[in-house]
Amino acid sequence: KNEVEQSPQNLTAQEGEFITINCSYSVGISALHWLQQHPGGGIVSLFMLSSGKKKHGRLIATINIQEKHSSLHITASHPRDSAVYICAVSSYNTDKLIFGTGTRLQVFP
Amino acid sequence: DVKVTQSSRYLVKRTGEKVFLECVQDMDHENMFWYRQDPGLGLRLIYFSYDVKMKEKGDIPEGYSVSREKKERFSLILESASTNQTSMYLCASSRVFPDIPYEQYFGPGTRLTVT
Repeated sequence: KNEVEQSPQNLTAQEGEFITINCSYSVGISALHWLQQHPGGGIVSLFMLSSGKKKHGRLIATINIQEKHSSLHITASHPRDSAVYICAVSSYNTDKLIFGTGTRLQVFP
Repeated sequence: DVKVTQSSRYLVKRTGEKVFLECVQDMDHENMFWYRQDPGLGLRLIYFSYDVKMKEKGDIPEGYSVSREKKERFSLILESASTNQTSMYLCASSRVFPDIPYEQYFGPGTRLTVT
């Protein structure tokens, strides 16, 4: 079993829909990261959080440390949000990340 | 802005060739990482370097070696390329703060095809 699990693996939405991507992890962590990868492109960091909630524009990330669960929400989705979203965790005493396998999101006009 | 650059976006090599992938970061980061990314498997760590000339094996180091002679540059070497090394290779860097996690900054990736 992977230490970081994401769901769903694939997601299709119509423009304007509210989207949720989930991430569960089984190790102790110092932080959780949400990353975005556009087709053929590099990876950019969207959020790094260790508690509560963070918001940036239409993106919101939440984390529940007790339940070892995080969600990434996209409000009023747009075709330019189409990308792979990757959840990763920093475990204690290491600078390495443990990655989920990603969620491929396609938003249609 | 942090910038991580990789020497090639696309590379085609023949089986048995020695392959060098170069990564350069311009933010004086201590840590540098090499990953490969394959469909359904996500990102897997090949090697990690936390300082010049220091390296640590990741999850899948077999068939690879690395070199870090200068702080800003981290090279991945495929000693004898094989077809199962066809993949997307991503470099990343991050700062080190004791007991504080720090985000990683990624390069654009190199798509390597070995024929």
